[in-house]
Amino acid sequence: SAVISQKPSRDICQRGTSLTIQCQVDSQVTMMFWYRQQPGQSLTLIATANQGSEATYESGFVIDKFPISRPNLTFSTLTVSNMSPEDSSIYLCSVRTGIFSGNTIYFGEGSWLTVV
Amino acid sequence: AQSVTQLDSQVPVFEEAPVELRCNYSSSVSVYLFWYVQYPNQGLQLLLKYLSGSTLVKGINGFEAEFNKSQTSFHLRKPSVHISDTAEYFCAVVPNSNSGYALNFGKGTSLLVTP
Repeated sequence: SAVISQKPSRDICQRGTSLTIQCQVDSQVTMMFWYRQQPGQSLTLIATANQGSEATYESGFVIDKFPISRPNLTFSTLTVSNMSPEDSSIYLCSVRTGIFSGNTIYFGEGSWLTVV
Repeated sequence: AQSVTQLDSQVPVFEEAPVELRCNYSSSVSVYLFWYVQYPNQGLQLLLKYLSGSTLVKGINGFEAEFNKSQTSFHLRKPSVHISDTAEYFCAVVPNSNSGYALNFGKGTSLLVTP
């Protein structure tokens, strides 16, 4: 299993500012994923972040808006840049313990961002 | 590409009654299937998953799901629900591979258990 800590857990942000979300895992993992969950909606994959390579972004998400770092096997950050109210969401860090697609993906508690 | 359809956005049920949350998927390749639960103001927790073998999968908290390949379904069931089962339930799919794809989620079903 994996235990994931995300910071901040909640924040209220001003329009036009940027916020960096940190994701710390209690064990070394190869694959990390960042999801967005807008109010009352399902989870949408933002990007896959593997250590030692550039993050791979999904359609509709770009590096300039959501830069990601993955400096080692236990840590990643997601920055939400130049925020607008439409960025108000829960941002979830998740990890897979192994590369096999059947391995369980574990989720952090989420970072609840409100942009005003 | 894979897609997941959760047929019910909300399911109200009385305590101790049985419940079924429906999930259908579409994929051109073999897939693995998952059910996650999200309690209010919390992250997601794995309930169960189907990889291979027996089509009836048992998970935590008394939940089970049955994989039906011909109907491309993976419905979640519990014979008797508790108030504490009130939560959002997400069905998810991933291609059967060693490439480590991310999960593709359905829109979720909100289960509301009342006394």
